[in-house]
Amino acid sequence: DQQVKQNSPSLSVQEGRISILNCDYTNSMFDYFLWYKKYPAEGPTFLISISSIKDKNEDGRFTVFLNKSAKHLSLHIVPSQPGDSAVYFCAADSTSGTYKYIFGTGTRLKVLA
Amino acid sequence: ETGVTQTPRHLVMGMTNKKSLKCEQHLGHNAMYWYKQSAKKPLELMFVYNFKEQTENNSVPSRFSPECPNSSHLFLHLHTLQPEDSALYLCASGAGGARNSPLHFGNGTRLTVT
Repeated sequence: DQQVKQNSPSLSVQEGRISILNCDYTNSMFDYFLWYKKYPAEGPTFLISISSIKDKNEDGRFTVFLNKSAKHLSLHIVPSQPGDSAVYFCAADSTSGTYKYIFGTGTRLKVLA
Repeated sequence: ETGVTQTPRHLVMGMTNKKSLKCEQHLGHNAMYWYKQSAKKPLELMFVYNFKEQTENNSVPSRFSPECPNSSHLFLHLHTLQPEDSALYLCASGAGGARNSPLHFGNGTRLTVT
């Protein structure tokens, strides 16, 4: 049973436009959410996170939105750049857990020049 | 320098071989993790160590044997693997007792079992 789901395996966006990546979760105990970016032949790199006490967190071109009632989070990248082309993973953790970080399957973003 | 270093980067082994993957972190973290990434599947959590104690074994077959001699080093000993064990094995470290802190990953070991 997948507790963290990324239902879009891929997404293509024109350079300069907004990229929106989505993630859904099922476990209501999750209260810390993260986005990672992964290039081929490299490990995932931490991008941005959000605690469940917030509904938005912004860092430069990256904004994460959290909708707790819908158990949904999204990552907005604006403006999108060709260097953003990578696989993006969302992950979730529970403060009552044993520091387990559960990941989704990833969404491959391609930013077209 | 990523802060988390994994060796080797690539490994090809037969089903009867014994090999070990190594991970070292220079971030002063207390928790270390092994994840497995197979094609079109989520990163699968395998093991978690917190302050050198194993706190999670996610139903991993016994042919995978972790070892954490101290908070900076983590090993994954491999023996009698199967071809379906071929995957990218990722090590990560985290602050352990600190809430709301991200994991930091190494670049992984690409394992091929023949």
